[in-house]
Formats: sequence, structure tokens, C-alpha cells
Amino acid sequence: DQQVKQNSPSLSVQEGRISILNCDYTNSMFDYFLWYKKYPAEGPTFLISISSIKDKNEDGRFTVFLNKSAKHLSLHIVPSQPGDSAVYFCAASGQTGANNLFFGTGTRLTVIP
Amino acid sequence: DAGITQSPRHKVTETGTPVTLRCHQTENHRYMYWYRQDPGHGLRLIHYSYGVKDTDKGEVSDGYSVSRSKTEDFLLTLESATSSQTSVYFCAISENSGGDGQYFGPGTRLTVT
Repeated sequence: DQQVKQNSPSLSVQEGRISILNCDYTNSMFDYFLWYKKYPAEGPTFLISISSIKDKNEDGRFTVFLNKSAKHLSLHIVPSQPGDSAVYFCAASGQTGANNLFFGTGTRLTVIP
Repeated sequence: DAGITQSPRHKVTETGTPVTLRCHQTENHRYMYWYRQDPGHGLRLIHYSYGVKDTDKGEVSDGYSVSRSKTEDFLLTLESATSSQTSVYFCAISENSGGDGQYFGPGTRLTVT
């Protein structure tokens, strides 16, 4: 039973435009949300996170938005660059002692030059 | 990049044989994790450790055991490998709990024939 869902397996965007990756979750006890980026044959790399007490967090070209009432978060990348082409995983953690993460299935972003 | 290595990076083994995967960190982080990544499931937590000799089960722990006798090493053992355990295995570390972000190793691709 997938508690974190990424319903779009893939997304293609033109270079310079905005990429929007979406994520939905079902467990209202999650209190921290993260995005990871993964290149082939490498481990996921932490990108950006947001606490459930906030609705927006920005880091350079990356912004994460959280809508708690809708149990939805999104990652915006502006402007998109070819090097952003990767698989993006959304993850969530709850109030446990060791930061267990629940991951979505990933969205493959392709930025077209 | 966080200092995390995994060994071996690739392994092919036969059904019924025991297999041990090793994760080694040089960051002195308290928390260590083992995940598996499968198509359609994202990453799922197998076991985690919150200190030397302190471990607990994750979402998909059946058929796996772990040990942590030193801060820097976290071992994952498949006691009797099955074809359903063919997967890519990732180790991760984190300094704190609570959603600071986990740092992942490069992964081990395991094939059970």
C-alpha cells in the first residue's frame, strides 16, 4: 500500500521552462517531506525538504510547495536545465525515532535542449 | 559527497545461498539504513540502525537480517536468497533523525538466479 504516490512516471520539459513534479500522500502523520534526485547507476541525492509547518521552501532554482489540506506537494524547477534530467523521488517521514522514509515511485524528468 | 561505500557493487548468486552486503561510512553518522529499489515501488526500507548493536525492522524486512558491530559498518544478510530478492540495494546514512535528509551510497545490484 503506497503511502506516497507519484502518479506521473515521466515528464518532458523544454530547457529554460518550468518543471513541475507532483506528489501525493495518504498518511496525515507525515511531518517532513523531501525530494531526491537520482541519476542512473548512482544513489539518490538529497535535493530539498520541507517541514509540515511550512507551505513553501526555496533553494536556488528549486522550490517545494506543500498543501497539507490536499496532502499534496510539488517540486518546481526554474529554469530547467539539461543536467536536471534524472528520476525524482518524493519521500516523507513521520514521527519515529530514526527518520524512516517512505518513497514514491519516482518521476523521470527529461529536459530537452 | 558523504563518504559511503557499498560492496560488492554487483553480485549474481543462486537461490538458497546466503549473501552479505556491506555498507561502510566515514562520516561517523549515527543512523544507517538499508533500502531496496524495485520498479513500481520506489525505495523501500528493509532495516535501519540507530546506533551500534541497535537495529530495527523496516517495511520489507522478511528474509533479511542486519548487524552493526561498529559505527562505520552496517551489514545486510540474505539468509537464503530467493529470486524475489533480486533488486538494487542502497545503504543510507544520516546524522540526525527528523527529516534532515539521508545520504545514499552508490547501490549494489543483486541478481538471484
